[in-house]
Amino acid sequence: QKEVEQNSGPLSVPEGAIASLNCTYSDRVSQSFFWYRQYSGKSPELIMSIYSNGDKEDGRFTAQLNKASQYVSLLIRDSQPSDSATYLCAVYNFNKFYFGSGTKLNVKP
Amino acid sequence: GAVVSQHPSWVICKSGTSVKIECRSLDFQATTMFWYRQFPKQSLMLMATSNEGSKATYEQGVEKDKFLINHASLTLSTLTVTSAHPEDSSFYICSARDRAGKRGAGYEQYFGPGTRLTVT
Repeated sequence: QKEVEQNSGPLSVPEGAIASLNCTYSDRVSQSFFWYRQYSGKSPELIMSIYSNGDKEDGRFTAQLNKASQYVSLLIRDSQPSDSATYLCAVYNFNKFYFGSGTKLNVKP
Repeated sequence: GAVVSQHPSWVICKSGTSVKIECRSLDFQATTMFWYRQFPKQSLMLMATSNEGSKATYEQGVEKDKFLINHASLTLSTLTVTSAHPEDSSFYICSARDRAGKRGAGYEQYFGPGTRLTVT
């Protein structure tokens, strides 16, 4: 079983819609969770970090964490074509980051 | 803020030669840096964790004698690919943790722009 699992997609949404990206993790004691965006040929860029159950909002992005269900999600409101990228979920445990394989998001104009 | 640089951004070398890649945290101190490798259309693969002043911890299957890592200071880590072969061609990315945690809880890692290595 992988530490962090994501649907590889692609997830296609029209411009202006809400994109919902999901991630599950296997280690119950995990405490730190991150979402990264990676454009093709570029390195990952940190979008959000979340440590407590509930929602955390930053601009058009909302991260949601449910530790009981071992589930973390990222909502992108008012999706733009520039949001088209691969989104990586990461979990931090014992001085190591575990990455999911990423979900490719396509926002259609 | 939270800027990590890598040099070079791309390099082409001949098989059998060695290549050194530098990773620097420009505006924060990083006790821990990570080295990743990414093949096309695949996710990040952690190669090793580098702690300032101590030996790097390599992931299973990564040859420590081939991929030499030196974390000489709180702002600099280097990865040397020794005796490179075409199968070592990949996108190498470093990241650094913000030691002081000023930008969050202290667990965020920030990535460098990556180094694309091509071995001919």
